[in-house]
Amino acid sequence: AQSVTQLGSHVSVSEGALVLLRCNYSSSVPPYLFWYVQYPNQGLQLLLKYTSAATLVKGINGFEAEFKKSETSFHLTKPSAHMSDAAEYFCAVSGSADGLTFGKGTHLIIQP
Amino acid sequence: GAGVSQSPSNKVTEKGKDVELRCDPISGHTALYWYRQRLGQGLEFLIYFQGNSAPDKSGLPSDRFSAERTGESVSTLTIQRTQQEDSAVYLCATNSGGAETQYFGPGTRLLVL
Repeated sequence: AQSVTQLGSHVSVSEGALVLLRCNYSSSVPPYLFWYVQYPNQGLQLLLKYTSAATLVKGINGFEAEFKKSETSFHLTKPSAHMSDAAEYFCAVSGSADGLTFGKGTHLIIQP
Repeated sequence: GAGVSQSPSNKVTEKGKDVELRCDPISGHTALYWYRQRLGQGLEFLIYFQGNSAPDKSGLPSDRFSAERTGESVSTLTIQRTQQEDSAVYLCATNSGGAETQYFGPGTRLLVL
């Protein structure tokens, strides 16, 4: 069984500030981990994924995430926020061939 | 097509009516997933198809929900006798199987009045 917890349903940062979106997971098997972004009225777009290679994963739009097995975490970061980063972000885990298990999402707000 | 497509993009229906939602997968993707996203919520897994194997229906919330897929082609999700709590965005995703990246369609927004 798998589960994902995203801390903070809403995160607000100033433009140019560090973005940190938290994700903790549980999985009975070595996990594959994903971050997806959903812009208003659009489908989900893959930002990045961890598949047991390098623990620091770089994705699109300057985002990256670090897999920390000891902390069962896969937090998403970006050094400098842009207004265009405002969106809903979902962390997901897959330990098998079945559907992904998603967190409840974090709404990222960028303050000018 | 280049991506996953879904139709209709929006559907408004009356309580008690049946609705059918369609998903066209990326060509060659053997696996197809349906998810439900209620307002302000994460995604709930509904059903998973892999090739010609029996589908994994473990996420379907009630027997009013059913889905079909023939081979690696189009899938339809049917909701019978719709209820107001069925109002949500229904998302389809496909991949080549296993834990590979899932590619999502734009979703169908269902509103049950």
